Amino acid sequence: DTAVSQTPKYLVTQMGNDKSIKCEQNLGHDTMYWYKQDSKKFLKIMFSYNNKELIINETVPNRFSPKSPDKAHLNLHINSLELGDSAVYFCASSQGIGQGKGDIQYFGAGTRLSVL
Amino acid sequence: AQSVTQPDIHITVSEGASLELRCNYSYGATPYLFWYVQSPGQGLQLLLKYFSGDTLVQGIKGFEAEFKRSQSSFNLRKPSVHWSDAAEYFCAVGGAQKLVFGQGTRLTINP
Repeated sequence: DTAVSQTPKYLVTQMGNDKSIKCEQNLGHDTMYWYKQDSKKFLKIMFSYNNKELIINETVPNRFSPKSPDKAHLNLHINSLELGDSAVYFCASSQGIGQGKGDIQYFGAGTRLSVL
Repeated sequence: AQSVTQPDIHITVSEGASLELRCNYSYGATPYLFWYVQSPGQGLQLLLKYFSGDTLVQGIKGFEAEFKRSQSSFNLRKPSVHWSDAAEYFCAVGGAQKLVFGQGTRLTINP
């Protein structure tokens, strides 16, 4: 039973299209995240949500819009896809928001997005 | 601002040899430190973490790491590597609300 699951695993699309990536966690955690891993494997946080509220938005272009319908789900919608959006996107979740306790984050398997 | 540096982009070791992966961090307060491993095509799996207390922490798969505040380091070690340890290793520092990752170290194992 996967703790953090993302769909789809692979996504190939044309420039200018709009696409969504879904994430669900069954750990009962309050906080969810999206990270982007570029072609050099560098991982950087994009967003975090705590109990459906946006906590972190790391100067991500507004073509990226996260949506959290409930605390177990955090979806990522991307409008007008560009070549530079090609990357692996990871969803993660943690119990809290790191209030001095360094919460452990659990990661999904990633979604590899290729924009042609 | 938080930052993490992993000086070695790629390391090759022979199976059965010992391993040390380096990690240096910059953080203004008490750091919460993590090592994650990413196998090809997979997500990130937590190997071990340091929050406080004993500076030598044990993790899964026979890995350990030592926190040295004076050197701002959190190096990962394993006494004898196995072919299945070939992967990408990420050090991360966590504070309020997010993890900041190093660039990763790719580990190759020679038979």
